[in-house]
Amino acid sequence: GESVGLHLPTLSVQEGDNSIINCAYSNSASDYFIWYKQESGKGPQFIIDIRSNMDKRQGQRVTVLLNKTVKHLSLQIAATQPGDSAVYFCAERPAWRGGFKTIFGAGTRLFVKA
Amino acid sequence: SQTIHQWPATLVQPVGSPLSLECTVEGTSNPNLYWYRQAAGRGLQLLFYSVGIGQISSEVPQNLSASRPQDRQFILSSKKLLLSDSGFYLCAWSTSGGDEKLFFGSGTQLSVL
Repeated sequence: GESVGLHLPTLSVQEGDNSIINCAYSNSASDYFIWYKQESGKGPQFIIDIRSNMDKRQGQRVTVLLNKTVKHLSLQIAATQPGDSAVYFCAERPAWRGGFKTIFGAGTRLFVKA
Repeated sequence: SQTIHQWPATLVQPVGSPLSLECTVEGTSNPNLYWYRQAAGRGLQLLFYSVGIGQISSEVPQNLSASRPQDRQFILSSKKLLLSDSGFYLCAWSTSGGDEKLFFGSGTQLSVL
């Protein structure tokens, strides 16, 4: 069945180091992928997205990599800061779903150690 | 700029009582609107989505219902709350023209006791 899952539920990194959060998906029909950041008690915030015709996209301090061969998505955060501590969700929009049904993964909690 | 308002932020309700959570979006027209529920420490489960006034699609059978009386207003309701309805409820919107990014409200923490 389809799923969007995360390899690690918790990730702890030292401030200033780079963070890599991984995500696996199983629906090869998905054509759009998104990363969200959720701070405690708040709604998720859009970070970055990527379409299936790309394999890399960069934002401010964040990079998303898409490997369609192994159905793997990753979020890289450069020079991780305490404000990056949050839960990160990957999500996919399967094209056959009609474009309305984002599927979220379980999330990875990122701890940034000072 | 677009904004989304969701209220109340927290709610404690007894079992069997009714529920009404409201969400409004400003700064955009004809948005797609969504209600999600998030259990503690878990991912997001889509409950309802709407592509227009009066058009509601339900994703999971449950004790809840949704309505969209106006273009930018989305309401989540229940006639009688169950303990299992406790959770963090999130309203979200996206554009109707193909941009699939979701923009979330600040959420309502519902505790049914």
